[in-house]
Amino acid sequence: DGGITQSPKYLFRKEGQNVTLSCEQNLNHDAMYWYRQDPGQGLRLIYYSQIVNDFQKGDIAEGYSVSREKKESFPLTVTSAQKNPTAFYLCASSIVWGPAAGGTEAFFGQGTRLTVV
Amino acid sequence: GQNIDQPTEMTATEGAIVQINCTYQTSGFNGLFWYQQHAGEAPTFLSYNVLDGLEEKGRFSSFLSRSKGYSYLLLKELQMKDSASYLCAVRDMNTGFQKLVFGTGTRLLVSP
Repeated sequence: DGGITQSPKYLFRKEGQNVTLSCEQNLNHDAMYWYRQDPGQGLRLIYYSQIVNDFQKGDIAEGYSVSREKKESFPLTVTSAQKNPTAFYLCASSIVWGPAAGGTEAFFGQGTRLTVV
Repeated sequence: GQNIDQPTEMTATEGAIVQINCTYQTSGFNGLFWYQQHAGEAPTFLSYNVLDGLEEKGRFSSFLSRSKGYSYLLLKELQMKDSASYLCAVRDMNTGFQKLVFGTGTRLLVSP
Protein backbone atom coordinates (compact mmCIF):
# COMPACT_ATOMS: atom_id res chain seq x y z
CA ASP A 1 0.00 0.00 0.00
CA GLY A 2 1.16 3.51 -0.79
CA GLY A 3 1.69 5.92 2.01
CA ILE A 4 3.92 8.27 3.92
CA THR A 5 5.89 7.01 6.90
CA GLN A 6 7.52 8.97 9.66
CA SER A 7 9.92 7.55 12.20
CA PRO A 8 10.38 7.35 15.05
CA LYS A 9 6.98 7.98 16.60
CA TYR A 10 8.52 9.28 19.82
CA LEU A 11 11.97 10.85 20.15
CA PHE A 12 13.84 12.21 23.13
CA ARG A 13 16.71 14.60 22.74
CA LYS A 14 19.20 15.95 25.20
CA GLU A 15 19.85 19.65 25.11
CA GLY A 16 22.63 20.52 22.66
CA GLN A 17 22.11 17.45 20.48
CA ASN A 18 21.11 17.32 16.85
CA VAL A 19 18.41 14.80 15.93
CA THR A 20 17.07 13.69 12.55
CA LEU A 21 13.44 12.83 11.86
CA SER A 22 12.75 10.50 8.97
CA CYS A 23 10.01 10.92 6.35
CA GLU A 24 9.57 8.47 3.45
CA GLN A 25 6.80 8.28 0.88
CA ASN A 26 6.07 5.74 -1.87
CA LEU A 27 3.26 7.75 -3.47
CA ASN A 28 5.53 9.17 -6.19
CA HIS A 29 4.65 12.65 -4.96
CA ASP A 30 6.72 15.62 -6.06
CA ALA A 31 6.24 17.94 -3.11
CA MET A 32 7.10 17.23 0.50
CA TYR A 33 6.58 19.40 3.58
CA TRP A 34 7.59 19.57 7.23
CA TYR A 35 5.32 21.17 9.82
CA ARG A 36 5.61 21.79 13.51
CA GLN A 37 2.59 21.71 15.81
CA ASP A 38 2.60 22.94 19.40
CA PRO A 39 -0.16 21.98 21.87
CA GLY A 40 -3.50 23.53 20.91
CA GLN A 41 -1.96 25.23 17.88
CA GLY A 42 -2.17 24.91 14.12
CA LEU A 43 0.54 23.66 11.77
CA ARG A 44 3.50 25.93 11.06
CA LEU A 45 5.57 25.33 7.94
CA ILE A 46 9.26 24.63 8.50
CA TYR A 47 10.57 23.61 5.05
CA TYR A 48 9.11 22.43 1.78
CA SER A 49 10.48 20.85 -1.37
CA GLN A 50 9.00 20.53 -4.82
CA ILE A 51 11.82 18.69 -6.56
CA VAL A 52 14.88 16.62 -5.76
CA ASN A 53 17.91 18.62 -4.58
CA ASP A 54 15.83 21.75 -4.03
CA PHE A 55 13.93 23.03 -1.01
CA GLN A 56 12.55 26.28 0.36
CA LYS A 57 12.38 27.78 3.83
CA GLY A 58 8.98 28.02 5.41
CA ASP A 59 7.86 30.39 8.13
CA ILE A 60 9.93 28.93 10.99
CA ALA A 61 13.07 27.44 9.37
CA GLU A 62 15.59 28.74 11.91
CA GLY A 63 17.24 25.91 13.83
CA TYR A 64 16.21 23.26 11.31
CA SER A 65 17.79 21.77 8.20
CA VAL A 66 16.57 19.40 5.48
CA SER A 67 17.81 17.51 2.44
CA ARG A 68 16.06 16.08 -0.60
CA GLU A 69 18.53 13.69 -2.22
CA LYS A 70 15.80 11.29 -3.31
CA LYS A 71 12.21 11.91 -4.37
CA GLU A 72 10.96 9.50 -1.72
CA SER A 73 12.79 10.96 1.24
CA PHE A 74 12.79 14.31 3.05
CA PRO A 75 14.57 14.05 6.43
CA LEU A 76 14.43 16.92 8.93
CA THR A 77 17.32 17.68 11.30
CA VAL A 78 16.52 19.59 14.45
CA THR A 79 19.78 21.28 15.38
CA SER A 80 21.03 22.54 18.72
CA ALA A 81 20.28 26.05 17.44
CA GLN A 82 16.55 25.36 17.81
CA LYS A 83 15.94 26.60 21.34
CA ASN A 84 12.49 25.17 21.89
CA PRO A 85 12.26 21.95 19.87
CA THR A 86 9.68 20.09 21.95
CA ALA A 87 6.70 19.68 19.59
CA PHE A 88 4.76 17.35 17.32
CA TYR A 89 6.35 17.19 13.86
CA LEU A 90 4.32 16.28 10.80
CA CYS A 91 5.56 15.44 7.31
CA ALA A 92 3.28 15.65 4.27
CA SER A 93 3.49 15.05 0.53
CA SER A 94 1.43 15.98 -2.52
CA ILE A 95 1.36 15.88 -6.33
CA VAL A 96 2.49 19.08 -8.03
CA TRP A 97 2.29 18.51 -11.75
CA GLY A 98 -0.18 16.75 -14.03
CA PRO A 99 -3.91 16.94 -14.71
CA ALA A 100 -4.77 15.50 -11.29
CA ALA A 101 -2.60 17.90 -9.35
CA GLY A 102 -5.16 20.65 -8.85
CA GLY A 103 -7.58 18.84 -6.61
CA THR A 104 -5.16 16.49 -4.94
CA GLU A 105 -4.75 16.91 -1.23
CA ALA A 106 -1.60 16.55 0.81
CA PHE A 107 -1.18 13.25 2.65
CA PHE A 108 0.30 13.23 6.14
CA GLY A 109 2.49 10.84 8.04
CA GLN A 110 1.55 9.86 11.58
CA GLY A 111 3.93 12.35 13.13
CA THR A 112 6.94 12.33 15.44
CA ARG A 113 6.63 13.66 18.96
CA LEU A 114 9.96 15.18 19.98
CA THR A 115 10.74 15.92 23.62
CA VAL A 116 13.84 17.61 24.98
CA VAL A 117 15.01 16.05 28.25
CA GLY B 1 2.98 36.32 2.78
CA GLN B 2 -0.14 34.57 3.88
CA ASN B 3 -2.62 35.23 6.65
CA ILE B 4 -5.26 32.66 7.52
CA ASP B 5 -7.79 33.24 10.32
CA GLN B 6 -10.19 30.84 11.99
CA PRO B 7 -12.09 30.97 15.29
CA THR B 8 -10.15 29.26 18.06
CA GLU B 9 -12.95 27.20 19.52
CA MET B 10 -16.60 26.37 18.91
CA THR B 11 -19.18 24.29 20.73
CA ALA B 12 -22.28 22.59 19.36
CA THR B 13 -24.82 19.95 20.27
CA GLU B 14 -25.14 16.46 18.83
CA GLY B 15 -27.47 16.48 15.82
CA ALA B 16 -27.05 20.19 15.17
CA ILE B 17 -25.37 22.05 12.29
CA VAL B 18 -22.19 24.08 12.74
CA GLN B 19 -20.35 26.43 10.37
CA ILE B 20 -16.62 27.04 10.76
CA ASN B 21 -15.34 30.12 8.96
CA CYS B 22 -11.94 30.79 7.45
CA THR B 23 -10.64 34.02 5.98
CA TYR B 24 -7.37 34.27 4.11
CA GLN B 25 -5.07 36.71 2.42
CA THR B 26 -2.60 35.43 -0.12
CA SER B 27 -1.15 36.67 -3.40
CA GLY B 28 -0.86 33.32 -5.15
CA PHE B 29 -4.06 31.48 -4.27
CA ASN B 30 -4.36 28.06 -5.88
CA GLY B 31 -6.89 26.17 -3.79
CA LEU B 32 -8.23 25.80 -0.27
CA PHE B 33 -8.39 22.62 1.79
CA TRP B 34 -10.15 21.60 4.97
CA TYR B 35 -8.67 18.94 7.23
CA GLN B 36 -9.89 17.25 10.41
CA GLN B 37 -7.44 16.45 13.19
CA HIS B 38 -8.12 14.45 16.32
CA ALA B 39 -5.83 15.09 19.27
CA GLY B 40 -2.40 13.50 18.83
CA GLU B 41 -3.15 12.27 15.32
CA ALA B 42 -2.31 13.35 11.79
CA PRO B 43 -4.74 15.58 9.87
CA THR B 44 -7.11 13.85 7.46
CA PHE B 45 -8.48 15.45 4.30
CA LEU B 46 -12.11 16.61 4.23
CA SER B 47 -12.62 18.89 1.24
CA TYR B 48 -11.09 21.01 -1.50
CA ASN B 49 -12.27 24.20 -3.22
CA VAL B 50 -10.57 26.14 -5.99
CA LEU B 51 -13.58 27.71 -7.73
CA ASP B 52 -16.30 29.76 -6.08
CA GLY B 53 -19.25 27.86 -4.74
CA LEU B 54 -20.29 24.97 -2.58
CA GLU B 55 -18.80 21.47 -2.58
CA GLU B 56 -20.88 18.85 -0.80
CA LYS B 57 -19.61 15.55 0.50
CA GLY B 58 -22.02 13.67 2.75
CA ARG B 59 -22.44 15.47 6.07
CA PHE B 60 -19.69 17.91 5.19
CA SER B 61 -19.86 20.85 2.78
CA SER B 62 -17.33 23.56 2.01
CA PHE B 63 -17.86 26.95 0.42
CA LEU B 64 -15.42 29.33 -1.21
CA SER B 65 -15.57 32.98 -2.28
CA ARG B 66 -12.27 33.97 -3.84
CA SER B 67 -13.19 37.64 -4.16
CA LYS B 68 -13.84 37.83 -0.42
CA GLY B 69 -11.00 35.56 0.62
CA TYR B 70 -13.52 33.51 2.57
CA SER B 71 -14.41 29.88 3.06
CA TYR B 72 -16.55 27.92 5.47
CA LEU B 73 -16.91 24.29 6.43
CA LEU B 74 -20.46 23.18 7.24
CA LEU B 75 -20.98 20.08 9.35
CA LYS B 76 -24.52 18.66 9.51
CA GLU B 77 -26.09 16.10 11.85
CA LEU B 78 -23.23 16.46 14.28
CA GLN B 79 -21.96 13.33 16.00
CA MET B 80 -19.81 13.02 19.10
CA LYS B 81 -16.94 11.74 16.95
CA ASP B 82 -16.89 15.10 15.13
CA SER B 83 -15.23 16.61 18.21
CA ALA B 84 -11.85 17.51 16.74
CA SER B 85 -9.82 20.40 15.35
CA TYR B 86 -10.65 21.63 11.86
CA LEU B 87 -7.81 23.14 9.87
CA CYS B 88 -8.15 25.48 6.92
CA ALA B 89 -5.19 25.41 4.51
CA VAL B 90 -4.37 27.50 1.46
CA ARG B 91 -2.16 26.44 -1.43
CA ASP B 92 -0.03 29.37 -2.48
CA MET B 93 1.97 29.47 -5.70
CA ASN B 94 3.28 33.04 -5.37
CA THR B 95 6.93 31.96 -5.17
CA GLY B 96 6.56 29.60 -8.10
CA PHE B 97 6.71 26.71 -5.67
CA GLN B 98 3.71 24.93 -4.24
CA LYS B 99 3.42 26.03 -0.62
CA LEU B 100 0.67 24.73 1.67
CA VAL B 101 -0.06 27.04 4.59
CA PHE B 102 -2.39 26.21 7.48
CA GLY B 103 -4.49 28.35 9.77
CA THR B 104 -4.35 27.91 13.53
CA GLY B 105 -7.31 25.52 13.51
CA THR B 106 -10.73 25.55 15.15
CA ARG B 107 -11.34 23.19 18.04
CA LEU B 108 -14.93 21.89 17.89
CA LEU B 109 -16.53 20.35 20.96
CA VAL B 110 -19.75 18.40 20.37
CA SER B 111 -21.83 17.78 23.48
CA PRO B 112 -24.73 15.35 24.01
